Amino acid sequence: AQKVTQAQTEISVVEKEDVTLDCVYETRDTTYYLFWYKQPPSGELVFLIRRNSFDEQNEISGRYSWNFQKSTSSFNFTITASQVVDSAVYFCALSEGSSNTGKLIFGQGTTLQVKP
Amino acid sequence: GAVVSQHPSRVICKSGTSVKIECRSLDFQATTMFWYRQFPKQSLMLMATSNEGSKATYEQGVEKDKFLINHASLTLSTLTVTSAHPEDSSFYICSARQVYEQFFGPGTRLTVL
Repeated sequence: AQKVTQAQTEISVVEKEDVTLDCVYETRDTTYYLFWYKQPPSGELVFLIRRNSFDEQNEISGRYSWNFQKSTSSFNFTITASQVVDSAVYFCALSEGSSNTGKLIFGQGTTLQVKP
Repeated sequence: GAVVSQHPSRVICKSGTSVKIECRSLDFQATTMFWYRQFPKQSLMLMATSNEGSKATYEQGVEKDKFLINHASLTLSTLTVTSAHPEDSSFYICSARQVYEQFFGPGTRLTVL
C-alpha cells in the first residue's frame, strides 16, 4: 500500500532561518512520482516540484531545494533564508506509475509559519 | 502552465439542497479529472476519479449516490452534492491530469447551513 508521512505537523521559524520539511513515503512500485505542493491561506494548491523514481539528483530552485533519497524513502524539502511569504501548508504527494491512474496520495501536510 | 478553473468559488446553501460544482480545464483537454475534499486543517482526500465518457471511480467510503460526478466533455467535470447536510461542508478541489502532472483548480468552499 502506498503512504506518505509528513511527521512535522507545524513548524515555526524566524525570517531568514533555513527550514527543512520532511517527507517519507511507502510504495511497492519501482516507478513512481513524488511531488511537493504549497497551499497558502487562499487555498489554491501551488505546484513546486515533481520527481520520478529514477532521478535521484537533488534539485535547487532559488531558495528551494529538494533531497531525494531512495535508500531512506525520503523526499525532503528545504527552504533557505525563509521569508514571511513562505508561510503556508506544504504537502508532499506520491503517484504510483504502475497503476497509470495518476492518483495522488497526499501526506498530512506541514504548516510552516515564518515570523518576521 | 495549464489552467484549471472551478465554479463557484464559494457557496452557502440550506440543508437538503443540491449543489453543483464545475471544474474546467481552460487550455488543455483532460480525459481524467480528480475530485478531492479537504476538511479544515486536514489533508486532501481523493473522492473520485472522473473519466471522460465513462463512469467515475469512487474511493472507498465515498457515497456514489450522494456525490454525483459527470465528465461529459474533455474540458468539464461536474460534482453534484445531493441533499447536502452540514457535515458535507468542506473545501472541494478538482484537478485535471495532463500526462504525469495534475493541475489543480482554486477550490470551492461549501457551507451547508
